[in-house]
Order: sequence, then C-alpha cells, then structure tokens
Amino acid sequence: GENVEQHPSTLSVQEGDSAVIKCTYSDSASNYFPWYKQELGKGPQLIIDIRSNVGEKKDQRIAVTLNKTAKHFSLHITETQPEDSAVYFCAASLGAGSYQLTFGKGTKLSVIP
Amino acid sequence: NAGVTQTPKFRILKIGQSMTLQCAQDMNHNYMYWYRQDPGMGLKLIYYSVGAGITDKGEVPNGYNVSRSTTEDFPLRLELAAPSQTSVYFCASSITGGAGANVLTFGAGSRLTVL
Repeated sequence: GENVEQHPSTLSVQEGDSAVIKCTYSDSASNYFPWYKQELGKGPQLIIDIRSNVGEKKDQRIAVTLNKTAKHFSLHITETQPEDSAVYFCAASLGAGSYQLTFGKGTKLSVIP
Repeated sequence: NAGVTQTPKFRILKIGQSMTLQCAQDMNHNYMYWYRQDPGMGLKLIYYSVGAGITDKGEVPNGYNVSRSTTEDFPLRLELAAPSQTSVYFCASSITGGAGANVLTFGAGSRLTVL
C-alpha cells in the first residue's frame, strides 16, 4: 500500500519567516495530495490540496508544489504568523473513487513572535 | 450546520470494558470514517463506510466494530478495551463522488484512556 513520509517532525520559525514541510509518497498511482492543519484540541482541517495534473497551487500565504517524477510534494507558508502554529499533516490518495487517505506523521510548526 | 459531532469528548475505561463512540454528521455526506491518532504517528484509518448499510475495514480494525444504519450516524464500538486502544479518535465525513470525495470534514475528537 501507499506510504507517506513527512519531514521535519518539528519546525520552529521566527514570525515573518517562511516555513517548508516536505512529504514523499511511494505509490506512483496516487494523484491527490491534501494538507491538513490541526490546532490544539481540534480535528484536522483541510487548508490546501493539489491534484497530479498541476505542479503548484497557491492560496494567499500558503502554496503546495508537486513533483510527480520524484514522488514528493511540499507545503510552503510565507510571512508566518503566530496563528500558523499547529500540527500539519500531508496525505496521499488515489483520488476520486479511492476512499482511503494515507497520512504522514505530522509536523509541529511553532511560530515564535 | 453542526458538521461532524463526536461524543464523548473524554472517557476513561478499565481494561475489558466496552463502550461506543458516537459520531453524527448533518451534511448529508455518504462517506464516513473513523481514524485514531497516536502521538507522533499521524492518523490511521480504522473503518470506513460509503453509505448506510455498507462498512469496510481500514488499516487498523482489530478490536473495533462499526455499524451504519443511517446516513447521519456512524458509531464505533470497542468490545474489550485494552491499553493499546488509548488514543484520540476522530470521525470524519466526505461528500459523495467526484473531486470532493476525499475532502474530509473532521469532528473535534474523542480522547480515550484505557487503564
């Protein structure tokens, strides 16, 4: 089955700096890659996703890039703010019709004011 | 809309006890899921359902059972609680078919401790 590796497990950045979280996946047939943000005491919430027919997607301060040849994708957060502090999970799936997302182990991001 | 509602939020069980974690969604989603989250281990799928009356095992189903008698409800049952089932449990749902099939809406979680 699919295996998703996520790095780093913890990340501390100064407010205003950028943060990058990287994930690799094993199944070349995977074509849907979401990112979830989990704040303390809450369930994960989708923040951005990308499908294999695009290489990059942006939404304000966050962006995701996908390299299908290398089987890795990354989350980029620019101009970080204290409210970006959370645990971030990447995931991979075979897309519509496949109901099982495989999650990475998560990255705890701390933004230092 | 309430989204996905889980009860209870916290529970302490003794080894060998049984309990049911409740999950309800009001978004008319056909697909529902149960995940467990252990520290540093991400989210593991326990069971999922693609509609009322249809359930299937995920990655870590041992020690759990589910049922799906209605579209709205997807309870998770622990029959003989073991310390290895100490975890935070998340219920999630997603819309039917198409590009949105994998966009999960999660509940707030149920923290279970087995002593």
